Amino acid sequence: KAGVTQTPRYLIKTRGQQVTLSCSPISGHRSVSWYQQTPGQGLQFLFEYFSETQRNKGNFPGRFSGRQFSNSRSEMNVSTLELGDSALYLCASREGQLTSGRSEQYFGPGTRLTVT
Amino acid sequence: DQQVKQNSPSLSVQEGRISILNCDYTNSMFDYFLWYKKYPAEGPTFLISISSIKDKNEDGRFTVFLNKSAKHLSLHIVPSQPGDSAVYFCAASAQGAQKLVFGQGTRLTINP
Repeated sequence: KAGVTQTPRYLIKTRGQQVTLSCSPISGHRSVSWYQQTPGQGLQFLFEYFSETQRNKGNFPGRFSGRQFSNSRSEMNVSTLELGDSALYLCASREGQLTSGRSEQYFGPGTRLTVT
Repeated sequence: DQQVKQNSPSLSVQEGRISILNCDYTNSMFDYFLWYKKYPAEGPTFLISISSIKDKNEDGRFTVFLNKSAKHLSLHIVPSQPGDSAVYFCAASAQGAQKLVFGQGTRLTINP
């Protein structure tokens, strides 16, 4: 099976702009989670989607949003970009819903977003 | 509020010796723990996990130990190999919770 793919791999935006990142999960996986990785902060959970519905959300402002399509592909949107949004954004997929983290998540390579 | 902490940002170990990576947590509701390995320009890769009903889990060169009373877990890699050089993240989840909580990561460097 092909792994989790994310596009684009690299992105440069300016403050105030908005950005959309895309994630294609492993075939057959219905759950997609998004994480933000910044130096010193590790991976911070953004949100999780299952069957086109957001199931859980982390502690991020409303500028961060997402959606999932019927084919399980997911997009993440950040509006009114700030310098602090510069980070690696990782998408992970798993077969079932993310309940108690019991099964393995498979991560994509990430999208490196730089806000200038 | 950092519920999962990896207090060593970096660790350097000689090839062939044992690497020990540590992780502490504060949330007593966590009952499942995982270790991920990350190379530059790649996403994290699952390594090994442990449930709170166990205190040790082995998979080849990798062993994870869990000390629930101390809220501490460690990953042992024996023997260490140059390909083990990467950033290692520990993560935890609670029963019924719907997210993984990650530590900040430890960069492991294996020296020839």
